Amino acid sequence: EAGVVQSPRYKIIEKKQPVAFWCNPISGHNTLYWYLQNLGQGPELLIRYENEEAVDDSQLPKDRFSAERLKGVDSTLKIQPAELGDSAVYLCASSPLGQGTGELFFGEGSRLTVL
Amino acid sequence: GDSVTQMEGPVTLSEEAFLTINCTYTATGYPSLFWYVQYPGEGLQLLLKATKADDKGSNKGFEATYRKETTSFHLEKGSVQVSDSAVYFCALSSTDSWGKFQFGAGTQVVVTP
Repeated sequence: EAGVVQSPRYKIIEKKQPVAFWCNPISGHNTLYWYLQNLGQGPELLIRYENEEAVDDSQLPKDRFSAERLKGVDSTLKIQPAELGDSAVYLCASSPLGQGTGELFFGEGSRLTVL
Repeated sequence: GDSVTQMEGPVTLSEEAFLTINCTYTATGYPSLFWYVQYPGEGLQLLLKATKADDKGSNKGFEATYRKETTSFHLEKGSVQVSDSAVYFCALSSTDSWGKFQFGAGTQVVVTP
């Protein structure tokens, strides 16, 4: 069974440029998460989807960040324009619907460097 | 709100040494507790979990016991190997915030031969 797939693994851009990250969750997993992980810190939730609905986006900086999960399967996270402080690892995770307090399955992450 | 505090790293050990990583939490409701591990170049993966007080989670020689009275979930391993070198994250998910996971800052463990 394929795991959570993220791309690109690495991205280097100049500030003010746009960037997009893609995530394909494990087949059948209805819940999808985007996390931000700064160096030396734990993951922090950006947005959580249940199928195609964003059920928790309270921590998403909506002035520059956007996300979509149009068909309730794969998802895209976009930053426009990127700032120096956005340099971090962007993690995608998924879990089966209804697990509530169950296990998260993570992708390998997309490392963003903003110059 | 919910929070997790774990000991800072790096923790450097010799092979076959005993490992303890402290984790304490603050939560409303009835949290489930987790330890995730991130090996170099890989994504986070679940190491073990416990869903109610006094439960012990175990996997790959690691153990952690859910202690409600001390709000702790310390990770232990009796004899570490070089392959245990990784970053370990304590996390919780509370019934009051269904589906929302709170992670600690992570503890880097370095095991030398």
